[in-house]
Amino acid sequence: KNQVEQSPQSLIILEGKNCTLQCNYTVSPFSNLRWYKQDTGRGPVSLTIMTFSENTKSNGRYTATLDADTKQSSLHITASQLSDSASYICVVSANRMNTGFQKLVFGTGTRLLVSP
Amino acid sequence: DTEVTQTPKHLVMGMTNKKSLKCEQHMGHRAMYWYKQKAKKPPELMFVYSYEKLSINESVPSRFSPECPNSSLLNLHLHALQPEDSALYLCASSQDRWTGPRKPDTQYFGPGTRLTVL
Repeated sequence: KNQVEQSPQSLIILEGKNCTLQCNYTVSPFSNLRWYKQDTGRGPVSLTIMTFSENTKSNGRYTATLDADTKQSSLHITASQLSDSASYICVVSANRMNTGFQKLVFGTGTRLLVSP
Repeated sequence: DTEVTQTPKHLVMGMTNKKSLKCEQHMGHRAMYWYKQKAKKPPELMFVYSYEKLSINESVPSRFSPECPNSSLLNLHLHALQPEDSALYLCASSQDRWTGPRKPDTQYFGPGTRLTVL
């Protein structure tokens, strides 16, 4: 069964601190992995996208890593800001046979609160 | 312009009403999507349109009726909804459907419509 699990479910950190969010997946056949940021009541915004051949991808203070062998990914946030408070969703794409589309498997997200 | 817009932002409707959600993008994307998201849950795919044709219907009840009048617009017509249909409805678009393992296609999401069915 295709699944994406994220940990922790929620996290509170002080402004300026770093944090790392985890994503484990059992999705086959794997195509790519994305991290999205979603503010409450808003649509998700893409942060990074990685294929199986990429180990790391950065977007400003966000750095994502991918280990395709262990089927794990992490999202590292450096020097956190109050505006980083949001849900972070790991999304893994599986090849969807016969349609040309990728099936996106969403994780349940990590809710991050950055406290002043 | 990397924006997907959705209207209205909020919608309250009774179970006998007929309403429509609208989605628009001007990025030249040819694939558009409807998702439903309940509180504290990940989005669930409902429909996928590719080149204005319905490509995927994830066994969605017929009280939800999608429409793609042109390549920039996507509608979701609602009729005889149930209270459990209350959710955030997200529209997304991507350049095209995936055509190979080295060409991942980022989906751009709109801000969503918060729907409440009384």
